Amino acid sequence: QVQLQESGPGLVKPSGTLSLTCAVSGVSISNSHWWSWVRQPPGKGLEWIGEIYRSGSTTYNPSLQSRVTMSVDKSKNQLSLSLSYVTAADTAVYYCAREKKIPVPVFDAWGQGTLVTVSS
Amino acid sequence: DIQLTQSPSFLSASVGDRVTITCRASQGISSFLAWYQQKPGKAPKLLIYAASTLQSGVPSRFSGSGSGTDFTLTISSLQPEDFATYYCQQLNTYPPTFGPGTTVDIK
Repeated sequence: QVQLQESGPGLVKPSGTLSLTCAVSGVSISNSHWWSWVRQPPGKGLEWIGEIYRSGSTTYNPSLQSRVTMSVDKSKNQLSLSLSYVTAADTAVYYCAREKKIPVPVFDAWGQGTLVTVSS
Repeated sequence: DIQLTQSPSFLSASVGDRVTITCRASQGISSFLAWYQQKPGKAPKLLIYAASTLQSGVPSRFSGSGSGTDFTLTISSLQPEDFATYYCQQLNTYPPTFGPGTTVDIK
């Protein structure tokens, strides 16, 4: 059974860089699937940040593309998310999720999420 | 981006009620729609994908239907554990987008 666990600093200063990791267990990142990051500001809805494949191929949300970088570390079986030049609007719970595309696209497994607050 | 609207935004219902939530897409998305349940402080949980396919382990009182632009999530007999917020998501076109959510509260 796949499990995902996000981790990283809970507080980031404005104009700084948010960096999170997502540890994956129960399945090897090298073997299959895409992996997405999704965020949710407190009390608000869900926003897709982007996705990454085992090869390192990425697709980002155009609204965040200029500030987002995703990577995979196959040796550690984990994903990474970096978001630069953060503002208070980036305060949110950040989730990683497994994304299957075959036979149909679906986000079938999610981490528990980690809250990141942007504040000085 | 494809916009998703959900109605109602909020509904109060009683245990045993039949509940229907609708999701409308700003353009056709075939059947590439999923439904999630989210409880406070928890991650979204997949209920339905491909508009009408029940995720493994999800109770059969949940069902989904629709294609194109109009979709529905139905809970046939509301249970105490079903009080939560429900989101639809389209996966037809990048970027994937979510509806604003429907909160189901206890009447």
